[in-house]
Amino acid sequence: RKEVEQDPGPFNVPEGATVAFNCTYSNSASQSFFWYRQDCRKEPKLLMSVYSSGNEDGRFTAQLNRASQYISLLIRDSKLSDSATYLCVVMYSGGGADGLTFGKGTHLIIQP
Amino acid sequence: DAGVIQSPRHEVTEMGQEVTLRCKPISGHDYLFWYRQTMMRGLELLIYFNNNVPIDDSGMPEDRFSAKMPNASFSTLKIQPSEPRDSAVYFCASSLPWTEGYTFGSGTRLTVV
Repeated sequence: RKEVEQDPGPFNVPEGATVAFNCTYSNSASQSFFWYRQDCRKEPKLLMSVYSSGNEDGRFTAQLNRASQYISLLIRDSKLSDSATYLCVVMYSGGGADGLTFGKGTHLIIQP
Repeated sequence: DAGVIQSPRHEVTEMGQEVTLRCKPISGHDYLFWYRQTMMRGLELLIYFNNNVPIDDSGMPEDRFSAKMPNASFSTLKIQPSEPRDSAVYFCASSLPWTEGYTFGSGTRLTVV
């Protein structure tokens, strides 16, 4: 069974702090990984893809650990505007939409 | 680019009524997806199309649900008859290759009373 698991949170973090959360996946045939961001009552939006070598986009760093089958998202110098739900997305080698699985998301609250 | 356009934004209907949700994908995107999101189940894929052809509808919960894509710029998701448990946010998304990610519409918040 294809499972993508996330800690639902909420993570309550003071502004300016660093926060990290993980997402675990069960299918070792997974090929591609993404983080999406979803604001309250809005649609999910692609935040960043996750590459095998890890990648960084400003204050955001995504990493992949294939041996332990998890991906992570780290946010540095957190802003109030980072408050959102972060969805982990895993694509399996079979491809197609049935190979794309969304986690239920981790809720992040940045507090002033 | 106007993005993925969904209508209506909100729909409140009585149990037993027919509901039609509409989606206009981004021009040039070959794939179109219909998702349903609830607190309990998260985002669930209902059906997806490639070049207007339904590829996988295994996520459609029951025969009460049907989806069509008569052309590259329009798709509908219909529920007939609707039930209270169908209450959710329904998202349409479109994409080019999978690895480039999806673009979601703003969603339709459906409430069946």
